[in-house]
Amino acid sequence: DTAVSQTPKYLVTQMGNDKSIKCEQNLGHDTMYWYKQDSKKFLKIMFSYNNKELIINETVPNRFSPKSPDKAHLNLHINSLELGDSAVYFCASSQEIAGGLNEQFFGPGTRLTVL
Amino acid sequence: AQKVTQAQTEISVVEKEDVTLDCVYETRDTTYYLFWYKQPPSGELVFLIRRNSFDEQNEISGRYSWNFQKSTSSFNFTITASQVVDSAVYFCALSGAYIPTFGRGTSLIVHP
Repeated sequence: DTAVSQTPKYLVTQMGNDKSIKCEQNLGHDTMYWYKQDSKKFLKIMFSYNNKELIINETVPNRFSPKSPDKAHLNLHINSLELGDSAVYFCASSQEIAGGLNEQFFGPGTRLTVL
Repeated sequence: AQKVTQAQTEISVVEKEDVTLDCVYETRDTTYYLFWYKQPPSGELVFLIRRNSFDEQNEISGRYSWNFQKSTSSFNFTITASQVVDSAVYFCALSGAYIPTFGRGTSLIVHP
């Protein structure tokens, strides 16, 4: 029983294409995230959803659009892919606690390669 | 604004050496949480520990120990008698109300 799952694990595509990455968590958490990890391992938060509502939208191009159909799912759609979008994308979830957030559970990551 | 600084980009040790990974943070929140995560070469991110801002007790878990000092805004992580399996990138993170902030990570290489 995977706590946080992402599909696909690998995604290779051409510049200009549109692609989606799916994420599901079965932990009953309220909050889900998308992170981008570049080749230098820098982990940058992109979006955060709490109970299907967008909470954080960091400086991310409009080509990236998150969609949360329900509390357990947070999908990431990317339009007009560019070379610079190549990275590992991690989905995560956590439960809100008093004054902050609990530890995050991460999915296995999706390695996106744009050619 | 929150900030997490992991000044050590890479540390290289020989097996059985002790090693300390530094983490310094900045926040204006009075209530916050600090975390350490491990990312082994396989790529997954694994939670190691969470500490809240009101609990400065040090914690030990096997060969791992954590030293939280509010006075210096530091949350350092020590591995005693390091092993090759400890080789990974370690991330320190800070969470206030909503936004989790990660440090840039410290790559630990343990040589046999």
